[in-house]
Amino acid sequence: NAGVTQTPKFQVLKTGQSMTLQCAQDMNHEYMSWYRQDPGMGLRLIHYSVGAGITDQGEVPNGYNVSRSTTEDFPLRLLSAAPSQTSVYFCASSFQKFYNSPLHFGNGTRLTVT
Amino acid sequence: ILNVEQSPQSLHVQEGDSTNFTCSFPSSNFYALHWYRWETAKSPEALFVMTLNGDEKKKGRISATLNTKEGYSYLYIKGSQPEDSATYLCAFLSNDYKLSFGAGTTVTVRA
Repeated sequence: NAGVTQTPKFQVLKTGQSMTLQCAQDMNHEYMSWYRQDPGMGLRLIHYSVGAGITDQGEVPNGYNVSRSTTEDFPLRLLSAAPSQTSVYFCASSFQKFYNSPLHFGNGTRLTVT
Repeated sequence: ILNVEQSPQSLHVQEGDSTNFTCSFPSSNFYALHWYRWETAKSPEALFVMTLNGDEKKKGRISATLNTKEGYSYLYIKGSQPEDSATYLCAFLSNDYKLSFGAGTTVTVRA
């Protein structure tokens, strides 16, 4: 059972470039989310989805787009990378909107924007 | 932005000692409180999901309590071992399905 799979593990971008961070889960989880982790700030919610076709903004959505066309996939798009987006990104999913179910995290993507 | 605070930010514990730390969260719009353990170079792993005021959860030497009326949760580690060294995160789930994390408490257990 693969769980939550994130790709790539590492990425270096130049300012202004675009890219997509991939996230896939094979647990049939309804809820998927993206977080960024910065030193001293914990995990901050970027976007989340409670099911296919439904997405919503989290705490720090600016500069990021998401879509949820299938239950399994929840890609995060950076349209025009900025140095402020240098961070470690985690995708996480959960069953039943995690009222009583925890998040399952991917292994993270370390992104550097120069 | 929901204010979830954890204290202390870090603590050092001698092997065999017990310790505890706090997570404070808004007392309104409460849906659930999550605890995660995060080891260096790994991903966060769930410890507990707590939903009811007065809830107590236990997993081995680690336990947690929940007070939703006053907005706090305690995590306890009994008889700390070096393998307990990690950052412990709490996260508040509001009734609009947004899960907001605290910055964590980093525990270092000295052998």
